[in-house]
Amino acid sequence: EPEVTQTPSHQVTQMGQEVILRCVPISNHLYFYWYRQILGQKVEFLVSFYNNEISEKSEIFDDQFSVERPDGSNFTLKIRSTKLEDSAMYFCAGNTGTGTDTQYFGPGTRLTVL
Amino acid sequence: GQNIDQPTEMTATEGAIVQINCTYQTSGFNGLFWYQQHAGEAPTFLSYNVLDGLEEKGRFSSFLSRSKGYSYLLLKELQMKDSASYLCAVRDAEAGTYKYIFGTGTRLKVLA
Repeated sequence: EPEVTQTPSHQVTQMGQEVILRCVPISNHLYFYWYRQILGQKVEFLVSFYNNEISEKSEIFDDQFSVERPDGSNFTLKIRSTKLEDSAMYFCAGNTGTGTDTQYFGPGTRLTVL
Repeated sequence: GQNIDQPTEMTATEGAIVQINCTYQTSGFNGLFWYQQHAGEAPTFLSYNVLDGLEEKGRFSSFLSRSKGYSYLLLKELQMKDSASYLCAVRDAEAGTYKYIFGTGTRLKVLA
């Protein structure tokens, strides 16, 4: 069964540094999402992406964040200047976007900002 | 606004039945999902309801009442491996695109 993959599984960075989190969605998926989950807290929607542009973004997704799908397979989340509070699990998800379709999540990247 | 409420924690015994409730408020309701999440892992899909009524999938069933903004997940014949967090999530389509809003999750402990 096809799976969503994410790399790296764990990223440690210094505050103020840029990080890029990578995701390879399932090939027939058309809609892509990034979520974050701070340790012990709920899953929070960051952004949805369709047809090479952002469909919707939450208030968390400020100017420090950006997404792109540069080569038709990888889907990336960039954080330009990381803050301590960006430490969280970041999950990529995708679906085909049909009416009853659910999202399939990747295993996540644990980001630790020191 | 959008809001999802579910109990923080529940405990049940192996072999028993447990019901996890979820209430929601959203303006563009377009479906309700239940996910299972083990600690340190990604959420995995359990069930989906968009019409009122009960959906059954093996040991798991999910119920929806749209007029009451209410859903529950029913787990039967509990096993130790069912110890996990159970996330209620609502799909909102008010803005013309789908947004998924998650509850805080219910941590279920299954005791021998």
